[in-house]
Amino acid sequence: DAGVTQSPTHLIKTRGQQVTLRCSPISGHKSVSWYQQVLGQGPQFIFQYYEKEERGRGNFPDRFSARQFPNYSSELNVNALLLGDSALYLCASSLVAGNNQPQHFGDGTRLSIL
Amino acid sequence: AQSVTQLDSQVPVFEEAPVELRCNYSSSVSVYLFWYVQYPNQGLQLLLKYLSGSTLVKGINGFEAEFNKSQTSFHLRKPSVHISDTAEYFCAVSDAGKSTFGDGTTLTVKP
Repeated sequence: DAGVTQSPTHLIKTRGQQVTLRCSPISGHKSVSWYQQVLGQGPQFIFQYYEKEERGRGNFPDRFSARQFPNYSSELNVNALLLGDSALYLCASSLVAGNNQPQHFGDGTRLSIL
Repeated sequence: AQSVTQLDSQVPVFEEAPVELRCNYSSSVSVYLFWYVQYPNQGLQLLLKYLSGSTLVKGINGFEAEFNKSQTSFHLRKPSVHISDTAEYFCAVSDAGKSTFGDGTTLTVKP
């Protein structure tokens, strides 16, 4: 079975631009979470979606938004990009939303802002 | 609010030696703890998890961890490491619908 897939794998943008990152969860998984991982740090929680509804939001500005589609895939949008948005963006899926659910991660999208 | 502290940013060790990666946590409610491994240019892979029950948890690749509620710790151990264990290791606590990760420990196994 395919794991969590993310696209694109790499992306280069300039300040002020907008970006959309995509994630397909493992088949049967209904919950998707997004994380930002800055070099040398652990992943920071951005959003969790379950059954197309937002279930949690981390401490990120409103420039960050996301949505989940009926097939449980998800998009993360970031507007007005800043240099500090350069990071590895990770998507993780789990069967359901819940604190006891281990997450299955994709390999991430590496976003570079020039 | 929950938090995770990984006490060692880097751990160098020789092949076939034992290793312990230390993790302390704080959480206001029920504790669900995880260890993940990240190889270069890849996402995170689950090593093991503590949800309830036995405080000694066994995971993949010969790793195990012990949950200690009184010391709020969840240290990861392996009795004999291999070169292939060289990677970044993350401890995480899950609460209120999100996972909080530590800043990671770089394990370097030397021949």
